Amino acid sequence: GAVVSQHPSRVICKSGTSVKIECRSLDFQATTMFWYRQFPKQSLMLMATSNEGSKATYEQGVEKDKFLINHASLTLSTLTVTSAHPEDSSFYICSARDPDLYTEAFFGQGTRLTVV
Amino acid sequence: QKEVEQNSGPLSVPEGAIASLNCTYSDRGSQSFFWYRQYSGKSPELIMFIYSNGDKEDGRFTAQLNKASQYVSLLIRDSQPSDSATYLCAVNMRNSGNTPLVFGKGTRLSVIA
Repeated sequence: GAVVSQHPSRVICKSGTSVKIECRSLDFQATTMFWYRQFPKQSLMLMATSNEGSKATYEQGVEKDKFLINHASLTLSTLTVTSAHPEDSSFYICSARDPDLYTEAFFGQGTRLTVV
Repeated sequence: QKEVEQNSGPLSVPEGAIASLNCTYSDRGSQSFFWYRQYSGKSPELIMFIYSNGDKEDGRFTAQLNKASQYVSLLIRDSQPSDSATYLCAVNMRNSGNTPLVFGKGTRLSVIA
């Protein structure tokens, strides 16, 4: 099956710094990728839909200037958390669907972000 | 509004019993349905998908779909402690590969040894 690779798996950063998370589709071209955030014991929350070559579509309540998404190629989307604060500490997960298959979403391994 | 509803649980079953997880969805035109398992601190992993009405079996897992009732379920036979996790129901509400699946909030399953 299709594989989505996410990096890093865990990151600790200081308040005020920025963190970049990468999401790669390894064996298919993902014109669209999705970014989720999950707080402990909470459900997945869709943050944004990342579109290759165009602007991301953000869900209501998600600050686009804080969570910068770049989808410069068909296999790579990046999420940058800018000026991170402790309340941004969360589990960030990307996913992608193979547009030719209309099948399930494949998830990256997730990134545990801790802002201190 | 497109919604997928699940009972949050926790659902507790003894080891060896059948665990039954349920999910309803709002969009009657939904085409495909997925069950994911998520262990604490890990990302979701696909267990099964189902497209047609009826039952689909894969090992100890059976997915059941009733489009008329807008209902999908997952049965886990011979439940094991390692099955303890959160189970997410996801629905493809548009027949497109470029839209996100709509996820339920998940049901937490606890299998007691």
